[in-house]
Amino acid sequence: SQKIEQNSEALNIQEGKTATLTCNYTNYSPAYLQWYRQDPGRGPVFLLLIRENEKEKRKERLKVTFDTTLKQSLFHITASQPADSATYLCALSYNNNDMRFGAGTRLTVKP
Amino acid sequence: SQTIHQWPATLVQPVGSPLSLECTVEGTSNPNLYWYRQAAGRGLQLLFYSVGIGQISSEVPQNLSASRPQDRQFILSSKKLLLSDSGFYLCAWTYSGTQWKTQYFGPGTRLLVL
Repeated sequence: SQKIEQNSEALNIQEGKTATLTCNYTNYSPAYLQWYRQDPGRGPVFLLLIRENEKEKRKERLKVTFDTTLKQSLFHITASQPADSATYLCALSYNNNDMRFGAGTRLTVKP
Repeated sequence: SQTIHQWPATLVQPVGSPLSLECTVEGTSNPNLYWYRQAAGRGLQLLFYSVGIGQISSEVPQNLSASRPQDRQFILSSKKLLLSDSGFYLCAWTYSGTQWKTQYFGPGTRLLVL
């Protein structure tokens, strides 16, 4: 069956460092992959979408990579700030059929 | 601009009671609509999605049902709640024709079944 794994349940880093979150998947050939941010008690908010034929995408301090050979996406936040503390979810879509979310990684950036 | 509303924000219901959660979207026409459930510390579980009025696809068989009586209104219901129905319920929408792309989520309803 299809599986999406986000590397760890929680990640703690120091302010100013780069946070790297991992999303691995199996038994899936996604057409595109998305990353969302979710704050406690709120709905997820879309951050970035990357297609299967794209290797990397950037938006301000955010960078996403997508390696379809390794079946992995990496999500980087550079120069992290305490305000970046949240849970980050990856989601995979296969063309127009289905979309699945990972369980998320809770990031805490300490001042 | 587009806005999505959900209510109520919080709900405490006894086991066996009925449920009705409502979601409405403003500022767009013919959106695709979705209901998700998120258990504590878990990922999002897709429950239902709809590509048009009266068109409902169910992802998980359970005691919940969904209806779409109007273009921008999506309702999640149950005749008899179970303890396992507790969770955070999220409604989301996507633009027509982009069913599984960027999803815009509502603020959610936290349901506690006692």
